[in-house]
Amino acid sequence: QPVLTQPPSSSASPGESARLTCTLPSDINVGSYNIYWYQQKPGSPPRYLLYYYSDSDKGQGSGVPSRFSGSKDASANTGILLISGLQSEDEADYYCMIWPSNVVVFGGGTKLTVL
Amino acid sequence: QVQLQESGPGLVKPSQTLSLTCTVSGGSISSGSYYWSWIRQPAGKGLEWIGRIYTSGSTNYNPSLKSRVTISVDTSKNQFSLKLSSVTAADTAVYYCARTSIVATMIRFDPWGQGTLVTVSS
Repeated sequence: QPVLTQPPSSSASPGESARLTCTLPSDINVGSYNIYWYQQKPGSPPRYLLYYYSDSDKGQGSGVPSRFSGSKDASANTGILLISGLQSEDEADYYCMIWPSNVVVFGGGTKLTVL
Repeated sequence: QVQLQESGPGLVKPSQTLSLTCTVSGGSISSGSYYWSWIRQPAGKGLEWIGRIYTSGSTNYNPSLKSRVTISVDTSKNQFSLKLSSVTAADTAVYYCARTSIVATMIRFDPWGQGTLVTVSS
């Protein structure tokens, strides 16, 4: 199974933006897949945030603020979750996910700290 | 509003079979074109998809677990279940069930159950 690489931790201050990355292995082209993002707070199940394929093919989860958005960096074979106007409630673990060949693969997660 | 609740033993001995049930409330497990999935998370670690089932009984499993996993559905009870055989300490995790939407190339897990901790220990 492919391995999705996420930095273990990231931090930013309230009001700033946080850019969380999810790097795909070199044999899987980020341009070919939807990148999904989930948020998980301590003691709670993950919450679906959004998916991103392209600017014309993306979707937000129900009730997810527009401060959360997705993108891709094809040159780095990476999916990106951008959180703008950080709030203390955004402190959580964030997981990326892809769905290649009918198998679901999650990244290892990034713990976002809002300083 | 659909809700999911996992249930089952919290402690399983090594080499035995882990059995969990997910009860769906607030809607019929057979309504809509939904799949139903199991996902687990070892303490302090990331998520691992175990597999999914459609109400027809059609299943897909994670290749890394396929030889040990069976997912089944009981539409009369609005439940689906997970069996994981020959468990070891590495199977200790919080196990989640989740409704799964699949539309073309889109897959989404929403909502999720609260999760249940299963510990494998003698």
